[in-house]
Formats: sequence, structure tokens, C-alpha cells
Amino acid sequence: DGGITQSPKYLFRKEGQNVTLSCEQNLNHDAMYWYRQDPGQGLRLIYYSQIVNDFQKGDIAEGYSVSREKKESFPLTVTSAQKNPTAFYLCASGEGGGRPQHFGDGTRLSIL
Amino acid sequence: GDSVTQMEGPVTLSEEAFLTINCTYTATGYPSLFWYVQYPGEGLQLLLKATKADDKGSNKGFEATYRKETTSFHLEKGSVQVSDSAVYFCALSFTGGTSYGKLTFGQGTILTVHP
Repeated sequence: DGGITQSPKYLFRKEGQNVTLSCEQNLNHDAMYWYRQDPGQGLRLIYYSQIVNDFQKGDIAEGYSVSREKKESFPLTVTSAQKNPTAFYLCASGEGGGRPQHFGDGTRLSIL
Repeated sequence: GDSVTQMEGPVTLSEEAFLTINCTYTATGYPSLFWYVQYPGEGLQLLLKATKADDKGSNKGFEATYRKETTSFHLEKGSVQVSDSAVYFCALSFTGGTSYGKLTFGQGTILTVHP
């Protein structure tokens, strides 16, 4: 079945540590997105990518980094510069152009 | 900038009650509008969509009509079930320009349906 796979489901970060969240899709979508979800705040866009080797900052990119070396993969690194990383992170993909996005099941990141 | 405002939650209903979740938007131009649903511990699933004024999206008994004059996209269901308990998000995106399909979300509305 086509879809988006995020891993791990739960992740714990120590102070000063960088962690990487995985996102893989087999839907052949050009565009991929990372969102952060906090209680009562909806979803906010961190980074997005329209094509391989290209990506743009979203609304809350500080303290995060991404890469897009393959069409299928769009990993997100939460760096030590992100002082409040505890959240639910959702990856999505889509065909752009106002069409719906497809979401993974998310990664919940917590601080040890 | 673009924004989406949803009615404050949480919303608590009895089974078979009528549901309305209000959604209004502010945008330059004419966006596509979406309702997504999130069940506990999961990602978002597309519930329905509308791409132009007066379009009605529908799915699983849920409906929403794109009202350009009131910039609204209210979600309705005639008879809710316990299984409809979830968080509902209203969202918009544009078809062109530099936004490339980025979604702008409302804050979400928690719905709880009791037997």
C-alpha cells in the first residue's frame, strides 16, 4: 500500500543532543512537508520541499534542519538550538497545487 | 497573512446529535479548503475538500460548503457516532505561486461523542 512512514514513533532527546526524525513516502509525490503540533495550537509548518535537493523554511524553522537527497525521503533534524522541542511532529507529502496532503502517523519527541 | 479560525472546543455531544464546527478564513485570493480529522495518536486524514466557491465537499456523512461571501467552510453532520470522536482541523492552501500547496491550519476542535 502507498503511504508515508515516520519513525520512530517515540523519541527522547538529551540536553545538547541533535536527533533525526525519519520520513519516507512511496506515493511518488514531489512535495514533502514537516509540521509541528502543540496542544491547542494546530499545526505549524517547519520546512517544505518541492523537489529533490531543494527546500524552503516554513513559519518556525529555527532550530531545525532538513535534507532532500531522494524523492522518497525528507528527514528532519531537531538541533540543540531548538530550546523547546517537545511536540508531536508530522510529515506529509503531496502533489502541490492546492491538492490534499497525505500525512504519516507522527513522531512524539520528548526531553529526558 | 493567511489564517484559519475554528470555533473554540472542546465540543461534547450525545450520539445521534447534530454537529456543526465553524471555520472561517482570511486569505488573499481564492484558496482550496479542507477538513482533516485526527484520531488519538495518529496523523491527519483528509475528511473532505472544496476547491471553489459554492462547492460542497462530503464524506462519511460530513458536509461543508465553500462560502466565498462569508469566507467560511463550516463542517456539519446530521447524526454523530461515538466513532466520530476526534480532533477536526480546517485548513487552506493555494494552487499556485510560491506557496506550493502549503497548508495553513486552524487550531483544531476536539469532538467527544458520548453513547
